[in-house]
Amino acid sequence: AQSVAQPEDQVNVAEGNPLTVKCTYSVSGNPYLFWYVQYPNRGLQFLLKYITGDNLVKGSYGFEAEFNKSQTSFHLKKPSALVSDSALYFCAVTTTGGGNKLTFGTGTQLKVEL
Amino acid sequence: SQTIHQWPATLVQPVGSPLSLECTVEGTSNPNLYWYRQAAGRGLQLLFYSVGIGQISSEVPQNLSASRPQDRQFILSSKKLLLSDSGFYLCAWTSRNTIYFGEGSWLTVV
Repeated sequence: AQSVAQPEDQVNVAEGNPLTVKCTYSVSGNPYLFWYVQYPNRGLQFLLKYITGDNLVKGSYGFEAEFNKSQTSFHLKKPSALVSDSALYFCAVTTTGGGNKLTFGTGTQLKVEL
Repeated sequence: SQTIHQWPATLVQPVGSPLSLECTVEGTSNPNLYWYRQAAGRGLQLLFYSVGIGQISSEVPQNLSASRPQDRQFILSSKKLLLSDSGFYLCAWTSRNTIYFGEGSWLTVV
């Protein structure tokens, strides 16, 4: 069975400061890892993914994530947060044999304040 | 380009009434298609997925069913809605190992 943990329900950051949203995973086999963002009353938007290769993955809107196999983590980061980054962020995992069935974390609400 | 359309966006239905939510994908062929439900603004639960016409896998027992009458059409249905069916329903499809989501349908059962 595969699982994802997002240990923080909410993260508060001041605009201009770096942000990190944490994610750890558990999976049998090689993980495919994803980050999505959800704005109120909207569907999920794909931000970035790790399949293989470079551990540092760059995605949309200046976000990046680092895959750490030994710590089974895939934390989302951005060097300088914007108020418009305030949203709900989901980490998800599947495996090569997972048929693209994603398992999601419970989400982390990011609040960026002036 | 590939796009996904999901409708209706909002639906208020009485308990015991039927349900039909539709999803179509454009710009691709033979996609994997999915229905997810999001409860209480957070957790996402996979309800159904389909790898082809007429091929439906159910992930959890429930009051809902899904059908795929055409390659790029995926329908979520119920014969009699329950209060507990209320939620935000998301259709999704796969392209190049990535799942993309539609804008969702809000269902309120009253």
